[in-house]
Amino acid sequence: RKEVEQDPGPFNVPEGATVAFNCTYSNSASQSFFWYRQDCRKEPKLLMSVYSSGNEDGRFTAQLNRASQYISLLIRDSKLSDSATYLCVVRPLNNDMRFGAGTRLTVKP
Amino acid sequence: DGGITQSPKYLFRKEGQNVTLSCEQNLNHDAMYWYRQDPGQGLRLIYYSQIVNDFQKGDIAEGYSVSREKKESFPLTVTSAQKNPTAFYLCATTRDRVYNEQFFGPGTRLTVL
Repeated sequence: RKEVEQDPGPFNVPEGATVAFNCTYSNSASQSFFWYRQDCRKEPKLLMSVYSSGNEDGRFTAQLNRASQYISLLIRDSKLSDSATYLCVVRPLNNDMRFGAGTRLTVKP
Repeated sequence: DGGITQSPKYLFRKEGQNVTLSCEQNLNHDAMYWYRQDPGQGLRLIYYSQIVNDFQKGDIAEGYSVSREKKESFPLTVTSAQKNPTAFYLCATTRDRVYNEQFFGPGTRLTVL
């Protein structure tokens, strides 16, 4: 079983739609959680950290469910520029970051 | 401009040749990392370094070597012992080993012919 699992997609949605991605992790000792965005053939960039209480940044909302060991990312009012691959990243305590393979999103006009 | 540079962007080599990928940073970050990314897989850690003259193996270190002679530089050598070297190689830094946010360089796409 992979340490971090994501639905690879692709998710194809129209502009203005709301879309949600989930990610599950296997290490219950994980302490830190993140969503990164990666454009085609580019480097990953931090989108947002995920806090236990959940957090929001504009159109993006991240949630953490420790009991079920998953995190989610919700994107509201999708824009064409949101098209990218979204990487779920988990860091166990005193250990290295673990990356999911990513979920590909395409927002269409 | 503060940042991470990797060179070259694209690299082609013949099978059996060693090749060195460059990673330079001017963020004054202590920790540096090398990852490999293959299609359909998450980033996998090759090596990391927390401080000058010290580095540790990651999950897939076999066939790779690194050095950290200067804080700003963390070059990666892909040796002929690496069985499947064709991949996208990403260098990253963090302020220190505890700090979480990783900053990535633009990557080097290596193709072995």
